[in-house]
Amino acid sequence: QVQLLQSGAEVREPGASVKVSCKASGYTFTGYYIHWVRQAPGQGLQWMGWMNPNSGGTNYAENFQGRVTMTRDTSFSTAYMALTSLEFDDAAVYYCARGDSSNWTPKFDYWGQGTLVTVSS
Amino acid sequence: QSALTQPRSVSGSPGHSVTISCTGTSSDVGTYNFVSWYQQHPGKAPKLIIYDVLKRPSGVPDRFSGSKSGNTASLTISGLQAEDEADYYCCSYAGTYNSVFGGGTKLTVV
Repeated sequence: QVQLLQSGAEVREPGASVKVSCKASGYTFTGYYIHWVRQAPGQGLQWMGWMNPNSGGTNYAENFQGRVTMTRDTSFSTAYMALTSLEFDDAAVYYCARGDSSNWTPKFDYWGQGTLVTVSS
Repeated sequence: QSALTQPRSVSGSPGHSVTISCTGTSSDVGTYNFVSWYQQHPGKAPKLIIYDVLKRPSGVPDRFSGSKSGNTASLTISGLQAEDEADYYCCSYAGTYNSVFGGGTKLTVV
């Protein structure tokens, strides 16, 4: 069965960076886009961008350009999302989600369990 | 891109139907037939219930249906059940490889 298993909760100070991992299993990792979505406490979903695990190609939402980097390690079927220069507003649950097999359109059929990132001084 | 506009909350009685709207612009919902809907229960990850405006993933009951007219997409839930009480989010392709979510709608089954 398809599963996306994310790394555990993180606590960071303002100005620091965080890197969240997302290990895929039950399907061909390089065959589907991976998207990242975050949800601040009590707030809605915010799309952050996607990565093509086959090519390594990426596209980031304008709000995160310059601060976010999405990478992968195909040997371990794992995707990563790194966010730098953290601010208090970056405190959220970060989700990875499997996208479409052929393009970047929003069809997120499997989701990780979420990783809570706390920003605290 | 600005978030798509959804009503903050809707409510309905068991067995009845509700429709949740998702209004975008001609740059997203109005141009592309790539609108998806997600159901999220408290403390859980979202679940895909509709994609490509009106397609249902396997395992999603046919009580859930999607449609689109102009710049507005809609999710209709018929035969409301208690377990349908959740938050619902729309998401649309917005061109230049980007996607955008709606603000979310809280469905209460009363």
